[in-house]
Amino acid sequence: EVQLVESGGALVQPGGSLRLSCAASGFTVSSNYMSWVRQAPGKGLEWVSVIQSGGSTYYADSVKGRFTISRDNSKNTLYVQMNSLRAEDTAVYYCARGASHAEYWGQGTLVTVSS
Amino acid sequence: QSVLTQPPSVSGAPGQRVTISCTGSRSNIGAGYDVHWYQQLPGTAPKLLIYANTNRPSGVPDRFSGSKSGTSASLAITGLQAEDEADYYCQSYDSSLSGWVFGGGTRLTVL
Repeated sequence: EVQLVESGGALVQPGGSLRLSCAASGFTVSSNYMSWVRQAPGKGLEWVSVIQSGGSTYYADSVKGRFTISRDNSKNTLYVQMNSLRAEDTAVYYCARGASHAEYWGQGTLVTVSS
Repeated sequence: QSVLTQPPSVSGAPGQRVTISCTGSRSNIGAGYDVHWYQQLPGTAPKLLIYANTNRPSGVPDRFSGSKSGTSASLAITGLQAEDEADYYCQSYDSSLSGWVFGGGTRLTVL
């Protein structure tokens, strides 16, 4: 059974950093396209970043240069390192598996950026 | 402002049929990229409802159907049930952004 479990969400001050994790089971992360998608409170879904099975990475303009997506094959885990956080980064962050679309979603982890 | 445009809300009585539109542009839906639909029940993660324009994952009732034409797509729900009350999002790929794009979401209210 495919499972995705996010962790690492927290309250952080503007300008701070945070790393989110997404532990996968039931499949191999490195063989799949893996994405981060976020949802600000009361708002819609926003794609953040993708790491392709071949290792190429892409980012939304809103996070480019501040966020870094990566994976640890030995732990079968996806990460996103978030630096220079802003109030507008406040959201539930979901990890998802899929190339053209999100076949599977995690339950999400909340990141709040506030002083 | 979302790249894909959806109506903010739709409503219908139990048993009725509703449709939700999703309008894109030449760099996403109009470029031939597939459209996918997700259902998000209150307080939960999104769930894949329709993929590749018209296909239902296992377990999704055939009351849900999708279509695509030109730069737009639609989700139709027939035999509306109270449990269908949720937010619905369309999604595609955009070649100019090199990533997924979503609609702003449509809240379905079952009257």
